[in-house]
Amino acid sequence: EAAVTQSPRNKVAVTGGKVTLSCNQTNNHNNMYWYRQDTGHGLRLIHYSYGAGSTEKGDIPDGYKASRPSQENFSLILELATPSQTSVYFCASGDWTGGSAETLYFGSGTRLTVL
Amino acid sequence: GEQVEQRPPHLSVREGDSAVITCTYTDPNSYYFFWYKQEPGASLQLLMKVFSSTEINEGQGFTVLLNKKDKRLSLNLTAAHPGDSAAYFCAVSDTNAYKVIFGKGTHLHVLP
Repeated sequence: EAAVTQSPRNKVAVTGGKVTLSCNQTNNHNNMYWYRQDTGHGLRLIHYSYGAGSTEKGDIPDGYKASRPSQENFSLILELATPSQTSVYFCASGDWTGGSAETLYFGSGTRLTVL
Repeated sequence: GEQVEQRPPHLSVREGDSAVITCTYTDPNSYYFFWYKQEPGASLQLLMKVFSSTEINEGQGFTVLLNKKDKRLSLNLTAAHPGDSAAYFCAVSDTNAYKVIFGKGTHLHVLP
């Protein structure tokens, strides 16, 4: 079964601090995604990746960086965290290979609070 | 770019009643359509996906309808039960997109 693991589950950070959210998938999927979920906004795409070494900007990339050092791992980095980045962050992997629909497999989420 | 509007944002029904959640989208090239379910405190799980070449898809206790002319996607729960209480998200992508665009979600509450 598809497995996407996020860490940490909960994180409290201070304004201006650096935060790294980690995601690991054992699905051997090429595509990985970072979303944030906020009340009234649903899920919004921050960054995504086609495979190891690639990162692409999503719809709301400002204030975030991403890193995909391997097929399995995809990190989201907040270099200078701000209170507006308080949210629940979801990582997902996708099985799209062209010619069919991509199902996304989500991790359990990371609740980030920036004070 | 693609925009997806989902209605209603909140929905309360009695056990046994039907419930309908609707999404409209703007991109006529949209080809794949999804419904995800998120139970309280949990992650999103795929409920059903529909291809542009099909218009009706049925699961256990629910039906997904796609109206390509009106660019409307709906999730119909025929007889809701308390276990259906969750947030439901529609999502849309085209044939070549890596990005999936989500609606803002509907919080469904089924009262016993």
